[in-house]
Amino acid sequence: EVQLVESGGGLVQPGGSLRLSCTASGFSFSSYYMSWVRQAPGKGLEWVANIEPGGSGKYYVDSVKGRFTISRDNTKNSLYLQMSSLRAEDTALYYCARSAAGCNYWGQGTLVIVSS
Amino acid sequence: DIVMTQSPDSLAGSLGERATINCKSSQSVLQSSNNYNYLAWYQQKPGQPPKLLIYWASTRESGVPDRFSGSGSGTDFTLTISSLQAEDVAVYYCQQYYSIPNTFGGGTKVEIK
Repeated sequence: EVQLVESGGGLVQPGGSLRLSCTASGFSFSSYYMSWVRQAPGKGLEWVANIEPGGSGKYYVDSVKGRFTISRDNTKNSLYLQMSSLRAEDTALYYCARSAAGCNYWGQGTLVIVSS
Repeated sequence: DIVMTQSPDSLAGSLGERATINCKSSQSVLQSSNNYNYLAWYQQKPGQPPKLLIYWASTRESGVPDRFSGSGSGTDFTLTISSLQAEDVAVYYCQQYYSIPNTFGGGTKVEIK
């Protein structure tokens, strides 16, 4: 059974940093693109970033470029999102998702709140 | 960036009624080299992550009831629920995965009258 479990969310002050993790199981992690998608409270979905299976290609939405870094460790079946210079508008539930044609598996999400 | 525009924002239908959700992309998501439309549909129920329903614009994900169907090509797409059920109450999103960033539509809330 495919499982994705996010962790690392929490309350952080504006300008602060946070590292999200996603641990995968039940599939060949190193064979798939992986994505981060976020959802602000009461709002729609926003694609944030994705990463190629080998980890070399990384892609971001403009609003997080230069502030967020996606990475993965295929030996640990883990996906990461290093977030810095956080802003109030980054407050959201962050999902990791397995990506193929669309995102066919999602975690339950980890909540990031940026507030003073 | 490709902008995805969904309509309507919300709809309320009776049980058994047909429901149609539209999604328009600001540029074509049809890859000419393979004739695939890089368009997916998701269902999100309250308190749950999104669930993939349809990919390649019209291919139903395994386990998705056949009352859900996707159609369209290029820039105009439709998700149809042929006979609305109580468990279909949710927000539905389209997403293009043709180019970076892989943008989502704003969502359509489906309710039962």
